Parts: sequence; C-alpha cells; structure tokens
Amino acid sequence: DTGVSQDPRHKITKRGQNVTFRCDPISEHNRLYWYRQTLGQGPEFLTYFQNEAQLEKSRLLSDRFSAERPKGSFSTLEIQRTEQGDSAMYLCASRLSGQKETQYFGPGTRLLVL
Amino acid sequence: QQQVKQSPQSLIVQKGGISIINCAYENTAFDYFPWYQQFPGKGPALLIAIRPDVSEKKEGRFTISFNKSAKQFSLHIMDSQPGDSATYFCAASRAYSGGGADGLTFGKGTHLIIQP
Repeated sequence: DTGVSQDPRHKITKRGQNVTFRCDPISEHNRLYWYRQTLGQGPEFLTYFQNEAQLEKSRLLSDRFSAERPKGSFSTLEIQRTEQGDSAMYLCASRLSGQKETQYFGPGTRLLVL
Repeated sequence: QQQVKQSPQSLIVQKGGISIINCAYENTAFDYFPWYQQFPGKGPALLIAIRPDVSEKKEGRFTISFNKSAKQFSLHIMDSQPGDSATYFCAASRAYSGGGADGLTFGKGTHLIIQP
C-alpha cells in the first residue's frame, strides 16, 4: 500500500503529558499537511510543509504544538502539555505540488486526553 | 469566521434518489473546490473537484455545480445507493494562486443516509 500512513492510530494520554505523532506521506509527494478534526466537524488546517520547509501555520497551532519534517520525507507533530481540548483526530495529507492538486489523507491518529 | 458554509447538516434520501448538498464560500481568492467523502474511523477521500472556470463537472453518479457569481457550489449524487451513506465535506483552497495559502478550508460536513 503506497498511501499516506500515520502512527499511532490511537493515543490515550493524561493531561499535561507530551505526545508525538508521525506521518509518512506518499513517497514522491513534496507537500505534507496536518489537520485536526473534532467530533462532528470538518477538518481544520494546522500547517503544511513543502519538502522540509514549513510554509504556513494556522493560528490554531498554538505554541504547544510543533511540527517538523527534517528530511522532507516523514513528518512529526508534537503536542506539549496536552489539554483536554486537544482531544481530536489528527489527520495528515500529502500532495505533489505543480501537478495534481489533490490532497490524499491518511487514516488519522485519534487522541484522547484524560 | 467560517469561510465555507455547508448545508444541510444531515440528509436522508431513499435508494435511487438524488442527494444534494450545498456549500457557500466567502473568500474570492479560492480557486479549487473539492468534495471529500469520509466513512467512520477513516480519513477523508477525494470524491470530485472543480475549478471556478467551469460551471459543472460530472464523474459517474457525482456532479458538482458551481456558481461563481453567487459563490456557491453543490454536490449532486444521482441514483443514491446505501453504500453512499457517509459524511460529505466540501472544501476550498488557493491551490493555484500560490502565496503559501494552500491549506484546505472545510465545511462542517453533511451526514448522508441512504435508506434501502
């Protein structure tokens, strides 16, 4: 399967703990996106990378959130000092810029903060 | 500020009927309008997309109608089937205009149920 993969699929943590999620995009895709989806809502854009450069960050991305894509391949999203309001599905998507505009989504990581 | 408004929130259609979901956007800089389908526990999957230089696009049973002057677009699902039961999201982005604003802005979703 050459689709977008995310790990872990589920994460339960206690308030105040740090968590890190990983996204592996489709291999040739140079753009990688992070979104957050709460129950009953549409995904909300958080940030995106072109290769290793982080080009855009939403104001939803508080200073407790940090994303990296060090080698332009996989990406990590870290949430520090988690709060109950961080409970959501975190989705990753990728696309190949300059050609198809379609963003392909992974299955998501569901985070529950107790 | 909700830049993409979607309606209805939920929709029940009989098998074989036409499902219609509507969206309205505010940002005239948007130049790409996709529809995504999402099943429970899965990520969204692209269904069909349109650019504002055309008024309609059809792919199989799915059609997007686009009204640039009204800043509205809609999804029509013809001959709706029980397997179409899912949540549908409209979205918009500046995929072509550059400037770094490439993230998708989604509507809140429509929960569609097709009754057999």
